[in-house]
Order: sequence, then C-alpha cells, then structure tokens
Amino acid sequence: EVQLVQSGAEVRQPGAAVKISCKVSGDTVNIHFIHWVQQAPGRGLEWLGVVDPTDGEAIYADEFQGRLVITADTSSDTVYMELSSLRSDDMAVYYCAAAQTRDYSMGLWGRGTTVTVSS
Amino acid sequence: QSVLTQPPSASGTPGQTVTLSCFGGTSNIGNNFVYWYQQLPGTAPRLLIYLNTQRPSGVPDRFSGSNSGASASLAISGLRSEDEGDYYCAVWDDSRTGRVVFGGGTKLTVL
Repeated sequence: EVQLVQSGAEVRQPGAAVKISCKVSGDTVNIHFIHWVQQAPGRGLEWLGVVDPTDGEAIYADEFQGRLVITADTSSDTVYMELSSLRSDDMAVYYCAAAQTRDYSMGLWGRGTTVTVSS
Repeated sequence: QSVLTQPPSASGTPGQTVTLSCFGGTSNIGNNFVYWYQQLPGTAPRLLIYLNTQRPSGVPDRFSGSNSGASASLAISGLRSEDEGDYYCAVWDDSRTGRVVFGGGTKLTVL
C-alpha cells in the first residue's frame, strides 16, 4: 500500500522559513506528480504547486512565486516544500497529495502538517 | 476569491439526491478536466471524481460527476449521514502561467 508520510508540526516566527517533507512509502512506480495544498483554519483548499518527482520540475501558483520551493529527492522518495518569509496568514495545515495517474488528480493524500506562525 | 464558484452550503435528507455545482470559465472548466474532492470533518481531502466523470476505486457509484460548458456538477444519490462534509471542485486553469484552482467549497449538511 502506498502512503504519503509527512513531517511533524512546525512553529516559526514571522519572516522565517519552514521546510516540510513528504515521503512516499511503498510502491512509487505509479506516483506521477506530487502537489502541495494549503488549508488555513476554517478556510478552503488552496493549491501551492506541483512537482514531477522523477525530474524535479515544479510549477508554482503565482501567489507563492518567489517564496515557495518544491524539490524532490529520488534517492529517498521524498518531496520537500519550503516556504519562506512567513506571514501570519501562512499559518495553516499543509498537505502533500499524489497523482497516481498522469493528470492533475490528487488521489492520495498525506495527513497534513500544521505550521504555526507566531512571534 | 476563487475563479471557481461553488455555493457555500447545501443540504438534503437521507436517501435524497443532491447536486453540487461548480461554475468557472473558458480558461478552466470549459477547456480542462474537473476533479471533485470530499473533506470530512478533521480529515484530509479525498478524491471522489477525476477526469470529469471517473471514480477512483473504492468510491461508491452514488457519486457521479458531469460537465456542461463552463460548469460542472457532482451528484450524490442515496444521501447518507456520513456524506456530511465539505466538497471542492478543482481544475487546471490556463490563464496566467497555468495553475490548479480549487473552488471555495460547499458545506453539505445531511438533515
């Protein structure tokens, strides 16, 4: 069974950066893309970006360009999401989600990582 | 403000059929595949529908997706109490540099 295992909760001060990991556990053959999605408290889902884990090519939402970097480490089947210059409205749960078909579906989700931004 | 518009709330009684709507434009729903996600309270989202109408394995056939022009719909038949939660549509949007966009979500209440 394929699972996405995310790193634990983080607390950062405003202006700092946070790096979250998402490890693909199990058969990775059918994982085509890994997305990152943000969900602020009581709010809806917001797409941050997507990476092809085989070549590391990433696409980012315009709103996060310049602050967001998504990388893939094929040796450890782990994808990372680093968000810098954190603001209070970045406080949210961050999910990684995998496409198991060659489209933009998110068929497999991690449990989420809570990021708290507080001085 | 999302480029995809979903009614913020919907409701139904057990056994009913409810239809959730998602309105977009020619740069998204009108030209690309739509996905639907269910998020039950306190859990991660779950893919219900992909490529407009396809159900992943394990998703009951009570859930069905359809498209018409620049709008999409998710129908839930035989409504059950465990269907109560938030439902999001999502699609690739061709405007600007290209991106996935989510609708604002519809909170479904089973009365």
